Amino acid sequence: DVKVTQSSRYLVKRTGEKVFLECVQDMDHENMFWYRQDPGLGLRLIYFSYDVKMKEKGDIPEGYSVSREKKERFSLILESASTNQTSMYLCASGPSGSRTDTQYFGPGTRLTVL
Amino acid sequence: QKEVEQNSGPLSVPEGAIASLNCTYSDRGSQSFFWYRQYSGKSPELIMSIYSNGDKEDGRFTAQLNKASQYVSLLIRDSQPSDSATYLCAVKWNNAGNMLTFGGGTRLMVKP
Repeated sequence: DVKVTQSSRYLVKRTGEKVFLECVQDMDHENMFWYRQDPGLGLRLIYFSYDVKMKEKGDIPEGYSVSREKKERFSLILESASTNQTSMYLCASGPSGSRTDTQYFGPGTRLTVL
Repeated sequence: QKEVEQNSGPLSVPEGAIASLNCTYSDRGSQSFFWYRQYSGKSPELIMSIYSNGDKEDGRFTAQLNKASQYVSLLIRDSQPSDSATYLCAVKWNNAGNMLTFGGGTRLMVKP
């Protein structure tokens, strides 16, 4: 079974704090993704990575950065948290893109920024 | 127009009935199609995949793909209250690696 874990299920931070969200997968997947999910807006891709030290911007990268120093770990960083970053954050991983490959999600982190 | 469209619902069906969830997509050389189930407050979970025109059955679930009409559907037979969730349709386009484009999801409510 694919296992994707995220460092926290719930997190409360204050405006201006630096926030680290960590994601670890145990399936040796090349690709990892960070999404946020908000009511009425669906899943939105923040950043993704297709290899160690590689990163690509998704649809909404502003206010976020990422780090992938090891294949199994992909971190999302909020440099200075703001209230509009209150959301559910979902990490996913998946093998290289053959026709049948897809993404597998971690349990999510619900972040509240006060 | 969004690339992957789903009716947001809620779709309400009685227990034991067939639930039919639909998804339409734009023509971008789509390759593969996936259905995820997401319970409230939880993360999406892959339940079905389909790559060729026609039907694919897995237990109570049947995925149907019609590339000419650009739609994919998920049928749930003998719906149970535990099937109540949001169902996300995801499309993988040709030459997009492992990128997926998600629909907004359809909320299904199965009433006992």
